[in-house]
Amino acid sequence: GAVVSQHPSWVICKSGTSVKIECRSLDFQATTMFWYRQFPKQSLMLMATSNEGSKATYEQGVEKDKFLINHASLTLSTLTVTSAHPEDSSFYICSAGTDGGTYEQYFGPGTRLTVT
Amino acid sequence: RKEVEQDPGPFNVPEGATVAFNCTYSNSASQSFFWYRQDCRKEPKLLMSVYSSGNEDGRFTAQLNRASQYISLLIRDSKLSDSATYLCVVNSEYGNKLVFGAGTILRVKS
Repeated sequence: GAVVSQHPSWVICKSGTSVKIECRSLDFQATTMFWYRQFPKQSLMLMATSNEGSKATYEQGVEKDKFLINHASLTLSTLTVTSAHPEDSSFYICSAGTDGGTYEQYFGPGTRLTVT
Repeated sequence: RKEVEQDPGPFNVPEGATVAFNCTYSNSASQSFFWYRQDCRKEPKLLMSVYSSGNEDGRFTAQLNRASQYISLLIRDSKLSDSATYLCVVNSEYGNKLVFGAGTILRVKS
């Protein structure tokens, strides 16, 4: 159980274009999903917390107008990187939390974004 | 001071060795503690939760010392497949957010 999928697994795009990444919880409902970014040789950094039916909460330093998050259902959250630039190239990972009160999170396989 | 600190390693050990990783956290209000494993260019996978009483899962033993704000992971009889980065993870003061340590690299060699 607790399977999370992400699509696409990798994407290459040109500078200035927008990229949408989908995160789905396949076998459970996730009221909360999280979006992380990981640069090479660094740990995961939380970008935002996404709650179903409400606006996402962004971490300090993360531009909400650049990283648009939508959590339209209990099984789907999307992250759109708008007007991507080479410095946005990174490994983007989503996770979904269970509601058991133990704060465990299950991660999607990640999306590797390269902006040329 | 980082909220979660780990020795980055790498730890280079032979097969069959016992290896221990340590982690300290700064937020005394944290309630949930985990060890995750991350393979190169992959997502983190939950290895085990860490409880105050200590817990064991096969070759893996996790310990928590709340007074010292210290978490450990012991791996016995290391296998080649244990080679990975081990992430110490703690929930933040804001409840369900997780804070990740930078990870400890383990390389098990034959």
